[in-house]
Amino acid sequence: QQQVKQSPQSLIVQKGGISIINCAYENTAFDYFPWYQQFPGKGPALLIAIRPDVSEKKEGRFTISFNKSAKQFSLHIMDSQPGDSATYFCAATLSGNTGKLIFGQGTTLQVKP
Amino acid sequence: GAVVSQHPSRVICKSGTSVKIECRSLDFQATTMFWYRQFPKQSLMLMATSNEGSKATYEQGVEKDKFLINHASLTLSTLTVTSAHPEDSSFYICGIRGPGNTIYFGEGSWLTVV
Repeated sequence: QQQVKQSPQSLIVQKGGISIINCAYENTAFDYFPWYQQFPGKGPALLIAIRPDVSEKKEGRFTISFNKSAKQFSLHIMDSQPGDSATYFCAATLSGNTGKLIFGQGTTLQVKP
Repeated sequence: GAVVSQHPSRVICKSGTSVKIECRSLDFQATTMFWYRQFPKQSLMLMATSNEGSKATYEQGVEKDKFLINHASLTLSTLTVTSAHPEDSSFYICGIRGPGNTIYFGEGSWLTVV
């Protein structure tokens, strides 16, 4: 119930294309869903986040789509660039003050020039 | 700018010795900090939740006597790996809970035990 399942494990996209990464969860107590971007040897950096009362959130080229009934959410990267090549993690946080962040398995994105 | 400072970024220690990793919150007071561990090409696994002024809460399977956590102030938490062994070699990352329940991460600390 604490798991967040992420797919695909790896993704190759041509420059200018759309990258789509999907996540699914079981625990309906999760109430905050961030996405993190991690470059090799670095800590993860917050990219964009959404709460379950919103179905979509867009920040620049990054969009989160959230389907509460299906317990799924996805990250769309529009006009993907080689600089977007990194590992992306979806995550979910339980409500309350624990703020414990549960990560998905990660997706390694490669954007080809 | 950086919200979380982690030090050292890389450390090599001999088997059997202890090593301390510091995590500092730069922008706000953090009553809660988190310690994660990441093996190559794997996800981040939560080790423990560090609470200022009280004992840390460890995840199942994490040895609290081996991974000592101290959160003595609102801006500093430390992780001490005691009696380190080669299997403890990993990437250790701290996170702090900020406004809106957002968690910000440090740059991580590479530990190599030889």
